[in-house]
Amino acid sequence: EVQLVESGGGLVKPGGSLRLSCAASGFTFSDYSMNWVRQAPGKGLEWVSYISSRSSFIFYADSLKGRFTVSRDNAQNSLYLQINSLRAEDTAVYYCARGARDSYNGLDVWGQGTTVSVSS
Amino acid sequence: DIVMTQSPLSLPVTPGEPASISCRSNQSLLHSNGNTYLDWYQQKPGQSPQLLISLVSHRASGVPDRFSGSGSGTDFTLKISRVEAEDVGVFYCMQALQTPRTFGQGTKVDIK
Repeated sequence: EVQLVESGGGLVKPGGSLRLSCAASGFTFSDYSMNWVRQAPGKGLEWVSYISSRSSFIFYADSLKGRFTVSRDNAQNSLYLQINSLRAEDTAVYYCARGARDSYNGLDVWGQGTTVSVSS
Repeated sequence: DIVMTQSPLSLPVTPGEPASISCRSNQSLLHSNGNTYLDWYQQKPGQSPQLLISLVSHRASGVPDRFSGSGSGTDFTLKISRVEAEDVGVFYCMQALQTPRTFGQGTKVDIK
C-alpha cells in the first residue's frame, strides 16, 4: 500500500524549533518529488515547500524562506521539514504530499498530517 | 505569485442534482509544453486532502466519473454531475505552473 506517515509535531514555545518527518512506503520514494503543505486551524491549504527527487531543486513559500528547511533521505525513504524560530502563525497541521515522477500527475498521495502548535 | 480565486465559497447542494465550482487564476496556467497546470483537491471532514483531478481534466485513480474538470488559460470549472451525500467537504483548486504553488480559498460543499 502506498503510504505517507508524518510525525514530529507537538507543542512548542515561540522561538523554538521542530523537525517534522514523513515516512514513505509502498512506492519507490527516490523517484518522486515531494511537497509539504500546511493548514492552520479552520483555514485553507497553504503550500510550504517542494523538493525534487534527488534534492537538486528546492523551493519554499516566500514568507517562509530562512526559517524552513526541507530535506530528504532516499536511502531511508524519508522526507523532513526543519522549522526554526517558530511563531504562533506556524500553528497548523503539516501534510507531506507526493509529487511527480516522470510527468506531472498532481499531489496524488497525502499523509494524515502532523499537528504543530506554537504557544507559550 | 499566482492568485487563485474560487467561487462560490459556500455551496449547499441537493443530492442527485449537479454542482459546479469555478476557479480563476490571475495569469494563464498554460505551460510551453502544452500542459495546463491546474489541479482539484477534495478534503472531506476530518480527513487529509485528496487529489481529484490534475492537469485540468485528468481524473485521479479511483475518482468517480461524476467528477469532471474543464477550462483553459485562466478559467476552470469542477463539475459534479449528480451530487452524493459522500461528496460533502471542501474543494480546492491549485496551480502547479510555478512555485510557490498556490491554492484557491476553498469551496465548502454541504447538503441542503
